[in-house]
Amino acid sequence: NAGVTQTPKFQVLKTGQSMTLQCAQDMNHEYMSWYRQDPGMGLRLIHYSVGAGITDQGEVPNGYNVSRSTTEDFPLRLLSAAPSQTSVYFCASSVGDEQFFGPGTRLTVL
Amino acid sequence: AQKITQTQPGMFVQEKEAVTLDCTYDTSDQSYGLFWYKQPSSGEMIFLIYQGSYDEQNATEGRYSLNFQKARKSANLVISASQLGDSAMYFCAMRENTGGFKTIFGAGTRLFVKA
Repeated sequence: NAGVTQTPKFQVLKTGQSMTLQCAQDMNHEYMSWYRQDPGMGLRLIHYSVGAGITDQGEVPNGYNVSRSTTEDFPLRLLSAAPSQTSVYFCASSVGDEQFFGPGTRLTVL
Repeated sequence: AQKITQTQPGMFVQEKEAVTLDCTYDTSDQSYGLFWYKQPSSGEMIFLIYQGSYDEQNATEGRYSLNFQKARKSANLVISASQLGDSAMYFCAMRENTGGFKTIFGAGTRLFVKA
């Protein structure tokens, strides 16, 4: 099993550009989520999904869209990147009492 | 609303000694889970330990134990026999088991283990 994979590992965008952060898991987990981690802070929940076709907002959803067409994939779309979205983004999937995290995507918006 | 508070931005501990990292939480749910994660300087998030709100025994995983005091809404992490490799950020997190299973994180505590 590859676990939770995220691409790309690093990305630099210009203000106003859009892009999609990819997340995939091969553990057949129903629950997946996206977090952002700003320097010196904990993780903040952006969006989450309890299964294919079902998504909901977390603590900081503005500026981001998600969809969940399959159990395996949970992409995060930045609609119009802003410098305030410079952060490290973590995708996670969970079953039962454990949450598995991807390695993260470091995003810089200039 | 859910809230997790970690009041210790940084902690020092001598190698081989025990250390307690504090975590308090707030929730109106009766069913919830509490987690601790370790984030070393390499950046990955490593699951350490889990405690369910209905678990009567404190959770233990090797050198990690969770001191769960439900009435005080605290879920402190105890690391016994600290090792240099324990130097990292530690995050407390809570998942409410109703309304979507959202998990929120505290701001973290940076632990420094001294040789």
